[in-house]
Amino acid sequence: SQKIEQNSEALNIQEGKTATLTCNYTNYSPAYLQWYRQDPGRGPVFLLLIRENEKEKRKERLKVTFDTTLKQSLFHITASQPADSATYLCALEVDYKLSFGAGTTVTVRA
Amino acid sequence: EAQVTQNPRYLITVTGKKLTVTCSQNMNHEYMSWYRQDPGLGLRQIYYSMNVEVTDKGDVPEGYKVSRKEKRNFPLILESPSPNQTSLYFCASSLRDRGEKLFFGSGTQLSVL
Repeated sequence: SQKIEQNSEALNIQEGKTATLTCNYTNYSPAYLQWYRQDPGRGPVFLLLIRENEKEKRKERLKVTFDTTLKQSLFHITASQPADSATYLCALEVDYKLSFGAGTTVTVRA
Repeated sequence: EAQVTQNPRYLITVTGKKLTVTCSQNMNHEYMSWYRQDPGLGLRQIYYSMNVEVTDKGDVPEGYKVSRKEKRNFPLILESPSPNQTSLYFCASSLRDRGEKLFFGSGTQLSVL
């Protein structure tokens, strides 16, 4: 069966450090992979999309990599700030359906 | 303002009492979808629609119905709610069905007693 796994543990980091989140998948061949941010009690908000033929994508302090051989995406938040504290979701698009991982909660300490 | 609007925000009901959660988007998006979110399970897709009068099952469609009579609206219907449908529900839309970001509503917290 298809499976998407994100860091099972919550991530607790010091302000200014880089947070690295992983998204591993099995039995998928996604055309696109997306990352979303979700704050408590709110709907997810889109951050970045990366295509299967792209290795890396950047947006301000965010960087996403996509390795279709390893079936893995890494999501980096550089120079992290307390305002980056949230749950981050990866999502894979296969056959017109976007399937989500359970998310990784990041807490950035001042 | 571009947005996806869901109503109600909170809903408490009893087993078997039919209910409808409304969803409307003002961005002229073709694609709309419903998800439920449960602790530890993440977002799971219930139904999706690629255009007016076109709907299809997601991963967890049992106990739910949808309709897409107009482009902007995509209501979620629970004909006979049960306690295992207690969850946080999100409606989402995107411009097309592939390679586009999803815009999510604020969510509907449903409790079925």
